[in-house]
Amino acid sequence: IVLTQSPGTLSLSPGERATLSCRASQSVTSGYLAWYQLKPGQAPRLLIYHASARAPGIPDRFSGSGSGTDFTLTISRLEPEDFAVYYCQEYSNLRMFGQGTKVEMK
Amino acid sequence: EVQLVESGGDLVQPGGSLRLSCAVSSFTVGDNHMTWLRQAPGRRLEWVATMYAGGITYYADSVKGRFTISRDISKNTLDLQMNSLRVEDTALYLCAGDCCSPYHFGHWGQGTRVTVSS
Repeated sequence: IVLTQSPGTLSLSPGERATLSCRASQSVTSGYLAWYQLKPGQAPRLLIYHASARAPGIPDRFSGSGSGTDFTLTISRLEPEDFAVYYCQEYSNLRMFGQGTKVEMK
Repeated sequence: EVQLVESGGDLVQPGGSLRLSCAVSSFTVGDNHMTWLRQAPGRRLEWVATMYAGGITYYADSVKGRFTISRDISKNTLDLQMNSLRVEDTALYLCAGDCCSPYHFGHWGQGTRVTVSS
């Protein structure tokens, strides 16, 4: 399964809504898709698993949705600490990752 | 707070060997699913190997037969023995763990860098 994330870069201001897309080349069984946040010099952080389940400690401004081949990560209102790179990962097959979406401050 | 700290990354020649280690605190490697991943410069994250809590191991095809994942329960560490290294193994290697699934990763380290070059 190949995961394609879009857009490559999202330029937004704090308080705005971010919508990140992850499209799979074939159906992801049972919504086995996760989202991670990566910041330079920090350990990656699991945000969402099973397409829509928030990981422990993740604020409710982060939400995941989708099924089949189309998945979305939404950040309802961007906080300054949310500017980072976001990766999707499928685990119905070989634990493949997308190429990432960078959310940068406008 | 769970912490994972990788070490052992270095510059090594093609064909050489290297052993990476991941020191884990506040999280028992013997009771949880532990994984190594890597990210080569400019490329996406890549799963390398997983040791299930029960001890079963799985490897990506790209490293099968060359890399070995293991754990030391007494030291609470996860290791990755890498043999027959290739230029394409150059990457930041990250250790990760999860209580509940071997397929996604709830806790991560910051990584250790491996460069394979002559």
